[in-house]
Amino acid sequence: SQTIHQWPATLVQPVGSPLSLECTVEGTSNPNLYWYRQAAGRGLQLLFYSVGIGQISSEVPQNLSASRPQDRQFILSSKKLLLSDSGFYLCAWSVLRGGRVDTQYFGPGTRLTVL
Amino acid sequence: EDQVTQSPEALRLQEGESSSLNCSYTVSGLRGLFWYRQDPGKGPEFLFTLYSAGEEKEKERLKATLTKKESFLHITAPKPEDSATYLCAVQALRNFGNEKLTFGTGTRLTIIP
Repeated sequence: SQTIHQWPATLVQPVGSPLSLECTVEGTSNPNLYWYRQAAGRGLQLLFYSVGIGQISSEVPQNLSASRPQDRQFILSSKKLLLSDSGFYLCAWSVLRGGRVDTQYFGPGTRLTVL
Repeated sequence: EDQVTQSPEALRLQEGESSSLNCSYTVSGLRGLFWYRQDPGKGPEFLFTLYSAGEEKEKERLKATLTKKESFLHITAPKPEDSATYLCAVQALRNFGNEKLTFGTGTRLTIIP
């Protein structure tokens, strides 16, 4: 069965510090990978998605970047955090089967607080 | 632009009191509509995918239905463990390949024993 991991679970960082959040998926090959941010009172906002190694698409201009160094690894980074980067960050994966929509499955999330 | 609106924002029910959650959507060609459950501090947990108007799916006390403009999540005789935030999301036909989802802000359901 497939499993998705995210770490760290919680993180408190000062403004201006760097960020690295990691997501790994087990039990599947060549998944689509996604980074979402969930702010209080708002829906999940898609930040980045990747359909393969080194292929990253950005949905929202921001202070963040993403990389996919391996098939099942997805990393969210920032060189200098802003207060507005605080939120709950979720990684998700899906597999496209035969042209039909397949479900996105979410990880446990990382709670980021920027002070 | 795709839009998803969920109502009510919050709902409190007595245990055993059935009700429905609403998800209204605007999308240029629906590829799929998704329902998730999210517990506090956790990632969303997949419940259902609906693909076309008239489709229905059930799981335990939950039943999801779909029309051309909205989806309902019916909860029958709920228990306290059904308390959670329920999220609705849509995928448009044009997003084939990247499977981008547009989410609503959710309905926070509380079941009182």
